[in-house]
Amino acid sequence: NAGVTQTPKFQVLKTGQSMTLQCAQDMNHEYMSWYRQDPGMGLRLIHYSVGAGITDQGEVPNGYNVSRSTTEDFPLRLLSAAPSQTSVYFCASSQGQGLTQYFGPGTRLTVL
Amino acid sequence: KQEVTQIPAALSVPEGENLVLNCSFTDSAIYNLQWFRQDPGKGLTSLLLIQSSQREQTSGRLNASLDKSSGRSTLYIAASQPGDSATYLCAVRGTDKLIFGTGTRLQVFP
Repeated sequence: NAGVTQTPKFQVLKTGQSMTLQCAQDMNHEYMSWYRQDPGMGLRLIHYSVGAGITDQGEVPNGYNVSRSTTEDFPLRLLSAAPSQTSVYFCASSQGQGLTQYFGPGTRLTVL
Repeated sequence: KQEVTQIPAALSVPEGENLVLNCSFTDSAIYNLQWFRQDPGKGLTSLLLIQSSQREQTSGRLNASLDKSSGRSTLYIAASQPGDSATYLCAVRGTDKLIFGTGTRLQVFP
C-alpha cells in the first residue's frame, strides 16, 4: 500500500493563479480531509468528506473548493491564489470519522 | 469553541531520560484524543489514539493517558533516544472534526 499520496511536493504560484492539489489513498478509506499547517497555529481543517459525493466545510474553507467523485481521490482547488494561502497542506484519510487518521507527506505552497 | 494547548513548546533532554509531554483542552465533550509525531518536512504519523471511555493507551516506550474531566492528556516517553527527536502533536476529536494543538518540539541529544 502506498497509503496517502500528495502531489506536487512543492509549488510556487503568483497571486490570482488557480491550481489543484492532488490527494489519493489506496486503503479504501471513507473519510478524507484537508488541513493547512501554519507556524504557531497548528493544523486547521479546510474541508472534509465522509464518502464519495459528500463534502463539507471545516474551519477555514474560504478560497478553497473540493469534490469527491471517487473513494480514492480528494483534490483541493485554489480558485484564485492569495499570499495568505502560503502554507503547508496535508491530506488525511481514515476508515471512519473517529478512527486513526493517516496523513500524506504534504504540499508546500508559496503564493507570491 | 474547543482549544488545545501543548506545554512546553520545546524541550531538550539528554538521551535516556523519561519525559512527559502535556496536552490540555477546554471542552471535555470529546470523542477521542490522538497523539501524532511529525518529523521536519514530513507528514504526521499517528502514535496513539485514546477513546473518551479509556484512561490510557500504550505502545512500546510510549504511554498516553487521558483525564477527560480535567481536560488533560499526557504522553510519557520512556528511556528517550535521539531518534525520538521530532514534534509531537495532540489532537482532540469533537462531534465532527479534529482540533490540533501547536505541538511540542522535542530534541533528545546523545
